[in-house]
Amino acid sequence: DAGITQSPRHKVTETGTPVTLRCHQTENHRYMYWYRQDPGHGLRLIHYSYGVKDTDKGEVSDGYSVSRSKTEDFLLTLESATSSQTSVYFCATTTGGGNEQYFGPGTRLTVT
Amino acid sequence: LAKTTQPISMDSYEGQEVNITCSHNNIATNDYITWYQQFPSQGPRFIIQGYKTKVTNDVASLFIPADRKSSTLSLPRVSLSDTAVYYCLVGSNAGNNRKLIWGLGTSLAVNP
Repeated sequence: DAGITQSPRHKVTETGTPVTLRCHQTENHRYMYWYRQDPGHGLRLIHYSYGVKDTDKGEVSDGYSVSRSKTEDFLLTLESATSSQTSVYFCATTTGGGNEQYFGPGTRLTVT
Repeated sequence: LAKTTQPISMDSYEGQEVNITCSHNNIATNDYITWYQQFPSQGPRFIIQGYKTKVTNDVASLFIPADRKSSTLSLPRVSLSDTAVYYCLVGSNAGNNRKLIWGLGTSLAVNP
């Protein structure tokens, strides 16, 4: 399996607090993605990156920001968490745009 | 915008062949089709990818008709360990613009 780790793996936070999730890869993959997974909605793309400092929005980007200052790390930030952002968040990477995605183990975030 | 539709659930028995069909009526010329498997509390894992006709690997086959408006994942001789959720993904690798349309997943239950 590709070396993709996510931290933290579980987090409980209160509404209105900032939260940052980290994705770290050791594969030197160019593309990185952040998804959220919710019952009834499947996987939805939040943001993605196609290189260092190159990012773009996915279909559910409102309320989220990302940063990628080096190839191996992709950070997802919830500036002010809301209960609707309670979800499981997955990071994924690929070598090229259309290639196989490798997923991390996920982060379960609960906003109370 | 392309939309992917797949059955919510399927049941099978050990040793049978399972076929899961995904509908993607608005697939674009540059779009490819990928299938993933997901176990509880894990990230999705790549199974197979194709663009047209038939693709086969060690674990599955992917059938894509000429009009590409649907695709069928075929799992030969399933076992209990194949019980999982299977996702269809239609995506584009045109440049850096990531279009990734996930189905809602098909929950496959393999019975003894």
